[in-house]
Amino acid sequence: GQNIDQPTEMTATEGAIVQINCTYQTSGFNGLFWYQQHAGEAPTFLSYNVLDGLEEKGRFSSFLSRSKGYSYLLLKELQMKDSASYLCAAWDSNYQLIWGAGTKLIIKP
Amino acid sequence: IAGITQAPTSQILAAGRRMTLRCTQDMRHNAMYWYRQDLGLGLRLIHYSNTAGTTGKGEVPDGYSVSRANTDDFPLTLASAVPSQTSVYFCASSEVGGRTDTQYFGPGTRLTVL
Repeated sequence: GQNIDQPTEMTATEGAIVQINCTYQTSGFNGLFWYQQHAGEAPTFLSYNVLDGLEEKGRFSSFLSRSKGYSYLLLKELQMKDSASYLCAAWDSNYQLIWGAGTKLIIKP
Repeated sequence: IAGITQAPTSQILAAGRRMTLRCTQDMRHNAMYWYRQDLGLGLRLIHYSNTAGTTGKGEVPDGYSVSRANTDDFPLTLASAVPSQTSVYFCASSEVGGRTDTQYFGPGTRLTVL
């Protein structure tokens, strides 16, 4: 079956670095998204990886290993506003997105 | 401001009632989607439309119907609401369907069925 796994909740300290992992099993693979979702709001796009390796975008970076079915989102210099849920989603062979349940990131001062 | 609007923001509905959730985008995107989000579960696709005049079923289509009469609007109808349809509903759009385009989300509708 198709499945996306990510930790339910993580806690980190303001100014630190945190890595949120995502493993996926999909019928075919056409790329992986990371979205940010603040409580009560819509998901917003962070990154998209289709090739192996690290994509850096300011304080946020995303990594993909297709052979391992694994991705991570790296957040540096954490700020209080980064407190949110982070959603991992992968395309299946029918071009439908399969979503993880999200990782709730709590930032402490 | 360009984007996606949804209405209503929230609604409490008696079981058995009919309800239409509205979604409008002004980005001229060809593809639109309806998802539901429940606590502890990932977003689940209900229905999608790759272009005006066409629609398709997602992972959880039962109890829901959609139409796509034009590019901008994609309403979702619950013909006879049941408590299990209590959820947050998000509409999304992308430039092209059936490809790996980024999806952009509306603000959501929080629906409670009693």
